[in-house]
Order: sequence, then structure tokens, then C-alpha cells
Amino acid sequence: QSALTQPASVSGSPGQSITISCTGTSSDVGAYNYVSWYQHHPGKAPKLMIYAVTNRPSDISNRFSGSKSGNTASLTISGLQAEDEADYYCTSYTGINPYYVFGPGTKVTVL
Amino acid sequence: QVQLQESGPGLVKPSQTLSLTCSVSGGSINSGDYYWSWIRHPAGKELEWIGRIWTSGATIYNPSLASRVTISLDTSKNQFSLTLSSAIAADTAVYYCARLVDVRLFDYWGQGTPVTVSS
Repeated sequence: QSALTQPASVSGSPGQSITISCTGTSSDVGAYNYVSWYQHHPGKAPKLMIYAVTNRPSDISNRFSGSKSGNTASLTISGLQAEDEADYYCTSYTGINPYYVFGPGTKVTVL
Repeated sequence: QVQLQESGPGLVKPSQTLSLTCSVSGGSINSGDYYWSWIRHPAGKELEWIGRIWTSGATIYNPSLASRVTISLDTSKNQFSLTLSSAIAADTAVYYCARLVDVRLFDYWGQGTPVTVSS
């Protein structure tokens, strides 16, 4: 299984919207609606932000949203805030061992 | 709130066995609703799934590591463990434990523990 592809970095000003892409293949992202997104502040536990492509855990702000088109999933952060500055990782279920593939992470910078 | 915490040596010599433990609080690892998993992140590379275990003790490992990996449960301590034999430099990484829901979703992670394989 190949890893997923993400941009190394994305930046935006407070209040703006940014989108992070996560590109896989027809065997993972394109085949299953099981893409998840995680926010990671260094030294802390990764935090689930989006699951099953579009679903948000109850404790996550509605400023975070997910979508998918073909083999590419996306995470959008609207109304960017300073606390959103972190690394963001995507992962997809693959249905075949190894069952999970990850992206390399995208560093979000709030200007 | 479920919390996971990794623990273990931060330095392992080549050819020796890497051993880590994940302590779970806020929930029982005996719950049949979840799997328990290990994931690692080598510096500058992608995260890599290592394997998972269910409450029955059934395990599945990443084929790239299967010959060297064992994941086990200690329900009396609400912990699960990872052992990786014949450690090599390429095993140097931050190791995370995580809870797996419905086989497809990692919902809670530990904060990770760095392990260096070096003499």
C-alpha cells in the first residue's frame, strides 16, 4: 500500500478558510468512505477531527468539515483561528492488510 | 474520557527487543466494542500501522513487520503491549497506541513515546 499524499504546508490569516487535500487511490480513499482527519499538536495525543469523510465528533467545532471526490478527500477549516495551528494527518481504511494508510501530514500555519 | 498512555525504554540496542506498554484509563480494554492498535511515526516519513488486537486476543499485524511483532493484552492491568524483536535502526520512531472503533476508525490516541534504536 502506498501512503496518501498531502501538501507539506498550508497557511492562512485569521478568519480565512483553508483546505487540505489527501489523495489516495481507487483501493483506499476512492473505495471506502472511511477517511479520517487528525489534528496533532507536538507532544500531545493526535485528536480526531473528522471521521467517515464528513462526520464530526460532538466536541469538534463546526468550523471543521470534510468531503471527498474520487480518490481525493479534503479537510476545510473555516474561520481560521490561532489555535488551529498544528499538523493535520489523514488516514484511510484499505480493506486489505495493511488495513490503514496515512498521509505524511500537513503543517497549518496561521499568519 | 478515554485516555491512553505509552511507556517503555526510549533507547534500544540493535538486535534487542523493543517493548512498550499502553495503559488505558476511562474505559475497559475488555470491551468487545473496540480493538487496540499500535502505530509508529519515523521522523520524516509517514505514519505506519503496526497491528491490532481484539479482546479475545486475536491479532492482525502489518505484513511488513509480522515476523517480528507481538501485541498482547493484560486485562488485569487494563493495558496492552507491543514487542518488536531484532530491532534495527529503521525501527527508530515515535510509537503511538490507539483505540480502534468498528475496525475502521482510530478514535483515541496516546501522546506517543519516542524510541531510538542505537548502540
